[in-house]
Amino acid sequence: SAVISQKPSRDICQRGTSLTIQCQVDSQVTMMFWYRQQPGQSLTLIATANQGSEATYESGFVIDKFPISRPNLTFSTLTVSNMSPEDSSIYLCSVELSETQYFGPGTRLLVL
Amino acid sequence: GQQLNQSPQSMFIQEGEDVSMNCTSSSIFNTWLWYKQDPGEGPVLLIALYKAGELTSNGRLTAQFGITRKDSFLNISASIPSDVGIYFCAGQKERIKEYGNKLVFGAGTILRVKS
Repeated sequence: SAVISQKPSRDICQRGTSLTIQCQVDSQVTMMFWYRQQPGQSLTLIATANQGSEATYESGFVIDKFPISRPNLTFSTLTVSNMSPEDSSIYLCSVELSETQYFGPGTRLLVL
Repeated sequence: GQQLNQSPQSMFIQEGEDVSMNCTSSSIFNTWLWYKQDPGEGPVLLIALYKAGELTSNGRLTAQFGITRKDSFLNISASIPSDVGIYFCAGQKERIKEYGNKLVFGAGTILRVKS
């Protein structure tokens, strides 16, 4: 498995602002993923982030709203832009090792 | 989009009882995964299943990959209070080189244990 950390662990933000979430893993991985988990819901994939290429977004998610960086094999960021209360969720990064996904602890975002 | 039907939605059982939950789909998956999520944490992988018919155990947990590749179940034997949490099944169809293992998640089963 992998040790995955996320920063911040939680935040309260004002609508219209943006928040960048960091994900750090303790080993080099090719595939990283970003998920959203809305209150009381399951996980929904936002995008796949490969190092050295543009992120691939799922239906319903766009780069302008959720820009992603993947500068190296151990780090990625997800920005939630121009936030509204509907963006209040847990945002989770995951990494793929041996064809299995492991998750970070999540970032709990509340937008007022 | 792709859907996994996970049941039951929630369970409230007595400590020491066995628990069973399952996921079904109308389409075939190549991999089934079971995760547990505790409050305030990210999902933790419990069991991974890679072959149709595969039966795998992890301590008191047992999971099976259905023969039709459209379903999977998770059993927990002799439940204890720390088993409380949300259990998610996740399925993966085919591996795409550029995108890796894109997972589809079930809605989750909330487990509560009476001590």
